[in-house]
Amino acid sequence: GDSVTQMEGPVTLSEEAFLTINCTYTATGYPSLFWYVQYPGEGLQLLLKATKADDKGSNKGFEATYRKETTSFHLEKGSVQVSDSAVYFCALRGGAQKLVFGQGTRLTINP
Amino acid sequence: DTGVSQDPRHKITKRGQNVTFRCDPISEHNRLYWYRQTLGQGPEFLTYFQNEAQLEKSRLLSDRFSAERPKGSFSTLEIQRTEQGDSAMYLCASGTGDSREKLFFGSGTQLSVL
Repeated sequence: GDSVTQMEGPVTLSEEAFLTINCTYTATGYPSLFWYVQYPGEGLQLLLKATKADDKGSNKGFEATYRKETTSFHLEKGSVQVSDSAVYFCALRGGAQKLVFGQGTRLTINP
Repeated sequence: DTGVSQDPRHKITKRGQNVTFRCDPISEHNRLYWYRQTLGQGPEFLTYFQNEAQLEKSRLLSDRFSAERPKGSFSTLEIQRTEQGDSAMYLCASGTGDSREKLFFGSGTQLSVL
């Protein structure tokens, strides 16, 4: 079945550091790919998405490119802020209508 | 606030008791999803509705679990004879069901079974 594997956390960085959170997937067909973020005490929010190969999703300085050849959708940000501290989930949506999530990566940014 | 409401936010119950959670989706959304999330894991799909019809149920959803969406608006998730392994965050999400669907998640109901 469809699955998503994320870089294990937790990840701790200093403010203004470069961030990469790795995500790879297994799916039949051509899934849509997503990054969701969960801030402390809040619900899951869509951060960005890409629906076909080579698409780049971007939002709030975060970017991820849909790489079909490597089945990856790594999340990057050039300069992180303390307010980016959260749990990040990579997810896919294939032929079935449901989202399949990775296990999440907890990110802590220190000032 | 995403517009999806879940009630209660927290529920503590004793093993063997029945519990019911409610989800109020965004009013114009015809899709409603239930997920379960345990500590350190990503959300796992349980079931979803298109209007009032329950279209898919995960194998995670044992016969102690039942979900309804009686008028295609709010939904309830009931767990009968709760077990300690049912302790988790139960998340609800709603969406439009079209090809560009974006899901909006509620803040969840945290269930603790003692």
